[in-house]
Amino acid sequence: DQQVKQNSPSLSVQEGRISILNCDYTNSMFDYFLWYKKYPAEGPTFLISISSIKDKNEDGRFTVFLNKSAKHLSLHIVPSQPGDSAVYFCAASATGGSYIPTFGRGTSLIVHP
Amino acid sequence: DADVTQTPRNRITKTGKRIMLECSQTKGHDRMYWYRQDPGLGLRLIYYSFDVKDINKGEISDGYSVSRQAQAKFSLSLESAIPNQTALYFCATSDPTSGRYEQYFGPGTRLTVT
Repeated sequence: DQQVKQNSPSLSVQEGRISILNCDYTNSMFDYFLWYKKYPAEGPTFLISISSIKDKNEDGRFTVFLNKSAKHLSLHIVPSQPGDSAVYFCAASATGGSYIPTFGRGTSLIVHP
Repeated sequence: DADVTQTPRNRITKTGKRIMLECSQTKGHDRMYWYRQDPGLGLRLIYYSFDVKDINKGEISDGYSVSRQAQAKFSLSLESAIPNQTALYFCATSDPTSGRYEQYFGPGTRLTVT
């Protein structure tokens, strides 16, 4: 059973608008969450993370929100740019354990000019 | 130069053949991982190693084996390749002792088993 779920396989957004990518998790032991971006023919690259002691982390155009009670996190990209078109993976880990993350299946974001 | 490299980048092989995928890193990290990516299935962990003497199975280790030749090198072998092992394979490293928990991925190997 999936412990990290990204229920939207794809998302299409107009340039300049906000992109919101969602992720849900089921394991209460997860306390550290990461987002990775993947372009075709490249490996995933780390984008932004958040610890469970926070509910928001911001880095430039990217903001991750964490709702622990709902076991839900989201990645906001504002404003979206065509270069943001990629597959985004959500990952969750338990820092009290091995730190090995569990990945979601990814959401393909397309930003139209 | 890339911190995590993988060879080959693309490989086509036949069913039953033995194949090795290699990974090297210059980040000085003790932890290394092998993942496979299939369309719609995300990244699934095959094997991981926390140091040269430590090898662990991931969620989908059947049909695979690994070798940690040095801190910088971690190889994945398919002893007898089968078509459902056709996938993208990624090597990754991490160093949680640094206080940073993200993984650093190589560029991937596209493997096709015919």
